[in-house]
Amino acid sequence: GDSVTQMEGPVTLSEEAFLTINCTYTATGYPSLFWYVQYPGEGLQLLLKATKADDKGSNKGFEATYRKETTSFHLEKGSVQVSDSAVYFCALSRVDNDMRFGAGTRLTVKP
Amino acid sequence: GAGVSQSPSNKVTEKGKDVELRCDPISGHTALYWYRQSLGQGLEFLIYFQGNSAPDKSGLPSDRFSAERTGGSVSTLTIQRTQQEDSAVYLCASSLAGRVEETQYFGPGTRLLVL
Repeated sequence: GDSVTQMEGPVTLSEEAFLTINCTYTATGYPSLFWYVQYPGEGLQLLLKATKADDKGSNKGFEATYRKETTSFHLEKGSVQVSDSAVYFCALSRVDNDMRFGAGTRLTVKP
Repeated sequence: GAGVSQSPSNKVTEKGKDVELRCDPISGHTALYWYRQSLGQGLEFLIYFQGNSAPDKSGLPSDRFSAERTGGSVSTLTIQRTQQEDSAVYLCASSLAGRVEETQYFGPGTRLLVL
């Protein structure tokens, strides 16, 4: 069945470091792909999304490109900040509309 | 505008009791979803409502779990005869029309602890 596999954490980086969180998916058809973020003590919120192959989603300095040939949607940021510390979830939206999530990657950014 | 709201925010219950969790979706959103987030785990899909169509119950883990959506708006997730393994955060989300490309907007969750 459709599924998402993302890099296991936790990930600890120093401020201004480069971030990559890997995400690959298995799906039939043409899913939409999402990154959600959960900041400490807060609810889940959309970070970015891409709805078709080769689309790039971007927000708050984060980017991810929908790569159909490698079935990937890796999250990147050139220079992380302490405020980026959170749990990041990769997800895909299926044709029958429920969303499948990865296990989440906890990021801690140290000053 | 108002986001997705859920109540209660926390619920502690004894094993074997029934619990009801409530979700108010964003006004005008026809699609509503329930998920479960266990400690240290990702999100597990439970059930999906779209308009007046029959719900997709394929994610419900057992027949102790059921959900209703009245009038196409508020939804209630009921867990009967709760077990300790039901302890988790239950998340509700809604989207405008349930299309594949739409963002799902999540509520703050109900944290359930079964003693």
